Amino acid sequence: GAGVSQSPSNKVTEKGKDVELRCDPISGHTALYWYRQRLGQGLEFLIYFQGNSAPDKSGLPSDRFSAERTGESVSTLTIQRTQQEDSAVYLCASRALGYNEQFFGPGTRLTVL
Amino acid sequence: GQNIDQPTEMTATEGAIVQINCTYQTSGFNGLFWYQQHAGEAPTFLSYNVLDGLEEKGRFSSFLSRSKGYSYLLLKELQMKDSASYLCAAPSYGGATNKLIFGTGTLLAVQP
Repeated sequence: GAGVSQSPSNKVTEKGKDVELRCDPISGHTALYWYRQRLGQGLEFLIYFQGNSAPDKSGLPSDRFSAERTGESVSTLTIQRTQQEDSAVYLCASRALGYNEQFFGPGTRLTVL
Repeated sequence: GQNIDQPTEMTATEGAIVQINCTYQTSGFNGLFWYQQHAGEAPTFLSYNVLDGLEEKGRFSSFLSRSKGYSYLLLKELQMKDSASYLCAAPSYGGATNKLIFGTGTLLAVQP
């Protein structure tokens, strides 16, 4: 596709359930990022992938959060045993090697009831 | 550590000029980004400044002063569609991640 896509666009879940969020980066972009945007706050970095490896996971808020990337393409962010404070928009971005600009997807709005 | 500060809200009139300021404190410097984000949509790239001075792109210009840790985004001939959040961000210095550190964003409301 022409841009970064994410699915689902909206997800409502009950506290304690697991959720999976998907990101399809721009084809050929080796770098992939996950950010979180809570209501009224700035974007927070979660995790960075270079290829299929994640050399920087420093932003993951707890061990309930994990992510993987396969085929140097699709990435999945998994949140286990969701809590209400996990409610946020989760944004994915990709970047081409040698370039600085990150291209963002439309995000997944997660609501934990 | 790194910190990005920008006003949370601004209001301006259609046809006018508005300047959105951003100050940053970083352990190093690797450029400064501005993104535009309409409600419910993805942030879209506006500008990236590495060197001091003003860069102009149509109605939008971005300025950087590295010695002052200061940047601004200048929007001219404001249109209603410019109502959006404007995000100031700096790549994390050191390492190769280029993860972005964001300010809270400035919500700009353009009024008729």
